[in-house]
Amino acid sequence: DIQMTQSPSSLSASVGDRVTITCQATRDISNYLNWYQQKPGKAPKLLIYDAFKLERGVPERFSGHGSGTHFTFTISSLQPEDTATYYCQKFDNDPVISFGGGTKVEIK
Amino acid sequence: EVQLVQSGAEVKKPGSTVKISCKISGYTFADYYIHWVQWAPGKGLEWMGFVDPEHGHTVYAQTFQGRLTMTADSSSDTVFLEVSSLTTQDSAVYFCARGFGVFAHWGQGTLVSVSS
Repeated sequence: DIQMTQSPSSLSASVGDRVTITCQATRDISNYLNWYQQKPGKAPKLLIYDAFKLERGVPERFSGHGSGTHFTFTISSLQPEDTATYYCQKFDNDPVISFGGGTKVEIK
Repeated sequence: EVQLVQSGAEVKKPGSTVKISCKISGYTFADYYIHWVQWAPGKGLEWMGFVDPEHGHTVYAQTFQGRLTMTADSSSDTVFLEVSSLTTQDSAVYFCARGFGVFAHWGQGTLVSVSS
C-alpha cells in the first residue's frame, strides 16, 4: 500500500505568517491528493482536492501544489481561526485510501 | 442539501461488537460510496474501508484484520459499520464520509468508548 508521510507533525506561527506543510507519497499518485482541516470534536473539512483545486467556499489563503510523490499545502497568511490539524489524503486507482499523520497548527 | 447523520454514542465492553449507522439524505443513495474513518485520541485519521451501496461491494483496511462489516440498506438509505472483538484501542470517534476518494460530505461522528 502507498504510505503518506506528512511533515511537520506540529508547528507554531504568528498571525499573518506563511505556513507550509509537506506530504510525501511512497509511489507516484499523480495529482490524487486532498487536504483537510479538522478542528477538535468536528468532522474533517475538505479544503483542497486534486492537489491544487480549492473547494468552494474555502478562503483563497489556502493553496496546494505538487504532483507525483511530493505535495505542499500553504496558508499564505495565518489567521486565528486556522488553528486546527491538517491532513493530506491520497486516492488513486488503488481502492485503499491513506491519510498523512497530520500537522497540528497553533498560533504563537 | 446532502446530509449524513450518524447514530449516537456507544459504550461497550472489551470483546463485544458495536454497530454504528449513517443515514444519508439529499442525494441518491446508490450514487456514491460511503467510507468510514476512525479518529482515536492522540492519533490521526485512519481509513477503515468503504461500501458501495448499489452493489454491496466492500473494501476493508488490513489494519482492522477482518473485524469489520460494512453494509448498506437501500430501504432506509442507511449504511452500517460493525466492529467486532472490541478492545480499548477501538475507543474512538467514527466518521462516515461520502465519495469515491474526495470527501466533501461527512457525518457528525459517533463516539465509541470501550471499557471494562
